[in-house]
Amino acid sequence: DGGITQSPKYLFRKEGQNVTLSCEQNLNHDAMYWYRQDPGQGLRLIYYSQIVNDFQKGDIAEGYSVSREKKESFPLTVTSAQKNPTAFYLCASIQFNTGELFFGEGSRLTVL
Amino acid sequence: GENVEQHPSTLSVQEGDSAVIKCTYSDSASNYFPWYKQELGKRPQLIIDIRSNVGEKKDQRIAVTLNKTAKHFSLHITETQPEDSAVYFCAASMGGGTSYGKLTFGQGTILTVHP
Repeated sequence: DGGITQSPKYLFRKEGQNVTLSCEQNLNHDAMYWYRQDPGQGLRLIYYSQIVNDFQKGDIAEGYSVSREKKESFPLTVTSAQKNPTAFYLCASIQFNTGELFFGEGSRLTVL
Repeated sequence: GENVEQHPSTLSVQEGDSAVIKCTYSDSASNYFPWYKQELGKRPQLIIDIRSNVGEKKDQRIAVTLNKTAKHFSLHITETQPEDSAVYFCAASMGGGTSYGKLTFGQGTILTVHP
């Protein structure tokens, strides 16, 4: 069953800790994205990657880092430098021929 | 950068009525305009999209119109049903390859359809 798998679904973190959110896709898509969603707001782009070993900053990259060592995987690290990390994080990949963005189920991060 | 404004923020209709959600964008280079539906706690899912070379697109009860001159686009849902209740987001991008996924989203509209 093709799709995007994000883990964990829920994550609690203490202030000052780094956390890594996992994103795996088996859709054979080249490009992958991370978006952040806050209550009452639309999604905002954090980072994206076109191919393995390449990634670009989105609109709100400060306090985040990513890696793309495999085509299937695009993990996001929320560092202690991110001032307001509590949010719903969505990973996505794109089918180039249609432009459709497929989202994972999301990871909800709460900082205590 | 691109800015997308979406109205209204909430919309309440009776089952069977029509619903209209409007968005404006600022960057004239944008040429891809998708609409996503997000149910509570779930992932956003594409329901319809339109490209700048088309003025209108329809898919059963859902239609989208685009006015490039005025930089606005709208979602129309006819014969609404309770299962249409969700948050709807408009978005814009320059389209083409990776840029399809570099979307600027509106703030969302909470649509409630009353039986």
